[in-house]
Amino acid sequence: SQELEQSPQSLIVQEGKNLTINCTSSKTLYGLYWYKQKYGEGLIFLMMLQKGGEEKSHEKITAKLDEKKQQSSLHITASQPSHAGIYLCGADFSGSARQLTFGSGTQLTVLP
Amino acid sequence: GAGVSQSPRYKVAKRGQDVALRCDPISGHVSLFWYQQALGQGPEFLTYFQNEAQLDKSGLPSDRFFAERPEGSVSTLKIQRTQQEDSAVYLCASSLETGRSQFIYNEQFFGPGTRLTVL
Repeated sequence: SQELEQSPQSLIVQEGKNLTINCTSSKTLYGLYWYKQKYGEGLIFLMMLQKGGEEKSHEKITAKLDEKKQQSSLHITASQPSHAGIYLCGADFSGSARQLTFGSGTQLTVLP
Repeated sequence: GAGVSQSPRYKVAKRGQDVALRCDPISGHVSLFWYQQALGQGPEFLTYFQNEAQLDKSGLPSDRFFAERPEGSVSTLKIQRTQQEDSAVYLCASSLETGRSQFIYNEQFFGPGTRLTVL
């Protein structure tokens, strides 16, 4: 979706390295969802952010939403091969979280 | 089952054939969503059900696409007279709506998808 831009499109990192994936919205959003997808599988929910400036962490993954609620980042610390997959951000522009608009995804490869 | 299931997992159709894709949501989930995911892209919203009512079908690309959820549980996405551009992964998601403050927290649980290839 052009309303939601993800960068980079793909990322190759050595195991143990840190990395950041960005998601930028063209307008203010009510909620921002991060999902992970492996080839041939459905989306796995990672985190949801609602408030400006909010930050959430789970294991080695941290997601942040900026104060203006137009930009989010997903940071992985000390990456592992198990982190490999496609990371998708999804935005709720309506406030009901019924129709999510997704970015085109970031393909992450972690080299052992 | 514990999660959202979809069947078939893979479907190959000849152009012009009709197909039906099934989604079994998590038991008790009120909301059900269908998304279409083209190769290399993020999912795109097709339609949304709350129980048996189809409240939003704004994402359906043409009148060849039809979705139903007659008893508020299992849903079927039907595509008539399939075209090559219909080739994609069709994802189903369900959620249990809860309210928190002025927001509706609505985590969507996704199924594995049906990969449709139209020859």
